[in-house]
Amino acid sequence: KQEVTQIPAALSVPEGENLVLNCSFTDSAIYNLQWFRQDPGKGLTSLLLIQSSQREQTSGRLNASLDKSSGRSTLYIAASQPGDSATYLCAVRQAGGYQKVTFGIGTKLQVIP
Amino acid sequence: GAGVSQSPSNKVTEKGKDVELRCDPISGHTALYWYRQSLGQGLEFLIYFQGNSAPDKSGLPSDRFSAERTGGSVSTLTIQRTQQEDSAVYLCASSQRLHEKLFFGSGTQLSVL
Repeated sequence: KQEVTQIPAALSVPEGENLVLNCSFTDSAIYNLQWFRQDPGKGLTSLLLIQSSQREQTSGRLNASLDKSSGRSTLYIAASQPGDSATYLCAVRQAGGYQKVTFGIGTKLQVIP
Repeated sequence: GAGVSQSPSNKVTEKGKDVELRCDPISGHTALYWYRQSLGQGLEFLIYFQGNSAPDKSGLPSDRFSAERTGGSVSTLTIQRTQQEDSAVYLCASSQRLHEKLFFGSGTQLSVL
């Protein structure tokens, strides 16, 4: 059974700081990994999708990396802004079968002005 | 439509009543997922549809929960004889094909009194 862990559970940083969020998974037989953000009371917004054959994806100030063999992904946020405050979740899609998607509990980020 | 639409956005009901939650996925998306998010918890998988069939119902918590999808589009999640522990945010997601990026609706906040 796939298990997805995100560390830290919460993070508070001053505006402008670069930061890294971590995601680890127990079963490396994945198809892809997706990072989301969730604002309070809202649904999830997709940030980046990394296929299992890829090492990283970039979008603006965000960079996500994937090391499938070690079961790890990181989300790097450059020059953080107060608007980045949200909960960040990673989701792993299994390879094969119904390609079940398993989510981590998330990292709650607060960027202080 | 432009995005995944869920209704109602909020639902308050009395213990023992039945509720129906609706999800309208992005047009053309063949895969549809239901998740539940309890306060402070991660996303709990409920059921997945490919077209109108549900290959994976493994996440439905009890036989009080059921879901259907018609015309390969709209899906309804029904909870019979609601209990207080059913209180949560119910999220729907769709993807164009099985292994592609997930797009989420804003969710239905269900409160069982």
